Amino acid sequence: NAGVMQNPRHLVRRRGQEARLRCSPMKGHSHVYWYRQLPEEGLKFMVYLQKENIIDESGMPKERFSAEFPKEGPSILRIQQVVRGDSAAYFCASSPPQAQRNEQFFGPGTRLTVL
Amino acid sequence: GENVEQHPSTLSVQEGDSAVIKCTYSDSASNYFPWYKQELGKRPQLIIDIRSNVGEKKDQRIAVTLNKTAKHFSLHITETQPEDSAVYFCAARGSGNTGKLIFGQGTTLQVKP
Repeated sequence: NAGVMQNPRHLVRRRGQEARLRCSPMKGHSHVYWYRQLPEEGLKFMVYLQKENIIDESGMPKERFSAEFPKEGPSILRIQQVVRGDSAAYFCASSPPQAQRNEQFFGPGTRLTVL
Repeated sequence: GENVEQHPSTLSVQEGDSAVIKCTYSDSASNYFPWYKQELGKRPQLIIDIRSNVGEKKDQRIAVTLNKTAKHFSLHITETQPEDSAVYFCAARGSGNTGKLIFGQGTTLQVKP
């Protein structure tokens, strides 16, 4: 059973470009969470999605950031017009449905560097 | 708002000693408290968790205690080994439909051989 997959593992963008980060949850998991980790800091919640639904986006910046989890395919975190302050590790986590959804398992992360 | 405070930020112990990391949370509705271990450049890995209807949980050398009245929980590692060296994060999950975890700032544990 493959774990949570994320790609790319490393992404370099110049200021003003777009960044697309992908996350495939563990098999059988229908809940996806995105977290951001700045260097030497803790993880900050961004968004919680189920298939075709955004459940909680209270941690998402109001502009430039969006997320989706389509019926088919991976979850996508999209950052438009990146700035240097977006440089961070972005982790995706997934959890099983229903009562077991408490446990969240993390992917390897995407390390975004904005030049 | 929701907040989790974690202490200490760094902890250095001799191999074989015990290590204790403490966290406090602000949302009294929080009902799930996981601990994650993160090695440099790696993903956070769940090492133990506790739910609000339990006061203590143990798994080999690792234990977690929860005091709901005081809104704090702690991680205890006994007989530490050099491979326990990592950053440890506590987290709290609120009630309701959101699954989000609120993380502490992390504790860098160094176990000296």
